Amino acid sequence: QKEVEQDPGPLSVPEGAIVSLNCTYSNSAFQYFMWYRQYSRKGPELLMYTYSSGNKEDGRFTAQVDKSSKYISLFIRDSQPSDSATYLCAMSLDNNDMRFGAGTRLTVKP
Amino acid sequence: DADVTQTPRNRITKTGKRIMLECSQTKGHDRMYWYRQDPGLGLRLIYYSFDVKDINKGEISDGYSVSRQAQAKFSLSLESAIPNQTALYFCATSDGLRDGYTFGSGTRLTVV
Repeated sequence: QKEVEQDPGPLSVPEGAIVSLNCTYSNSAFQYFMWYRQYSRKGPELLMYTYSSGNKEDGRFTAQVDKSSKYISLFIRDSQPSDSATYLCAMSLDNNDMRFGAGTRLTVKP
Repeated sequence: DADVTQTPRNRITKTGKRIMLECSQTKGHDRMYWYRQDPGLGLRLIYYSFDVKDINKGEISDGYSVSRQAQAKFSLSLESAIPNQTALYFCATSDGLRDGYTFGSGTRLTVV
């Protein structure tokens, strides 16, 4: 079993849809949770950062962490074609040695 | 200029050759990392360094070595490249606080 599981997709949605991306993990000691966005032929860029449990909202993006279920989610509201990218979840014990999911490829169609 | 610069962007090399991938940063971060990315496997940590005198093995260090020449420079070497080292390699930096990692644009390495 992988330490971090993420459905690779691909996921295709129409413009304006709500997108839900998810990861599960096995190490209950993880405290830091992140979502990265990676465009083709680019490095990942940090999208959302959450420490411990709870929700965090930033514009059209909402990150949720449920430590009791070892499950994290990223929601994208009013999705745009520019949101088309691969989304990677990441988590760690101490903000170092980040463990990444395999990434979910998202396409938002105009 | 990019905050984290990787060279070369693309490289094709032959089995058994020694190759070095270079990374430099202008973020002023102490922590630097090397990851490889493979389809379906995500990013896996090869080596990381917290300062010039501190080098640590990551999840998949076998077949790789690193050198931290200065705070801003961290290079990755494949002493004798093999085909299963064909991958996308990323360098990243961090200040250890809650701002995540800053990644370079990657080096696409093909070993034939």
